[in-house]
Amino acid sequence: NAGVMQNPRHLVRRRGQEARLRCSPMKGHSHVYWYRQLPEEGLKFMVYLQKENIIDESGMPKERFSAEFPKEGPSILRIQQVVRGDSAAYFCASSPPGGGISNQPQHFGDGTRLSIL
Amino acid sequence: AQSVSQHNHHVILSEAASLELGCNYSYGGTVNLFWYVQYPGQHLQLLLKYFSGDPLVKGIKGFEAEFIKSKFSFNLRKPSVQWSDTAEYFCAVNPLVKAAGNKLTFGGGTRVLVKP
Repeated sequence: NAGVMQNPRHLVRRRGQEARLRCSPMKGHSHVYWYRQLPEEGLKFMVYLQKENIIDESGMPKERFSAEFPKEGPSILRIQQVVRGDSAAYFCASSPPGGGISNQPQHFGDGTRLSIL
Repeated sequence: AQSVSQHNHHVILSEAASLELGCNYSYGGTVNLFWYVQYPGQHLQLLLKYFSGDPLVKGIKGFEAEFIKSKFSFNLRKPSVQWSDTAEYFCAVNPLVKAAGNKLTFGGGTRVLVKP
């Protein structure tokens, strides 16, 4: 009974490179959420996706960040031209379908810790 | 936009002491409320949740929380902590608005250190 799977667990990039973070939701879950946890801070919502749709991206930085959740395969959070300030833990969570409102808590992955050199 | 405030950033206490962590939120509508725990280097785990009904909810590991609607609060308690409760604790709110889905707004977290 696999939970939310994120990979890689740790990712090191140099400034200017691209970072791709992957998230496979729990079986049966079709809603994916990405959160960012900066050092010494709480989690901040970034984006909410369903299959092939971005539902809410109000927490995404306007530039360099994008997310997708294709019909097949994992959800991808992509950061282009990374900068030092992108260093953080990125957590993915999933929840079951429910018309957008579901009395089901989100299940979190182990996160990807991104370090920018 | 809604916000969640956790009053204490750091709490240090001894084993067997009682713990109470404060959480207040600002949202006028109906909400689901959660407490998550994050042990060092691990992902968030759900401690307990409130959706409706009895405002006193019991979770795992002896934790409980009380929802006081008039105070917009959802404080976490444990009567007697153990060293293994050393972790960071996050309060989170999901407003029951369709567009929000299950999007969570988190508090800043409280780091709890239990001294043996």
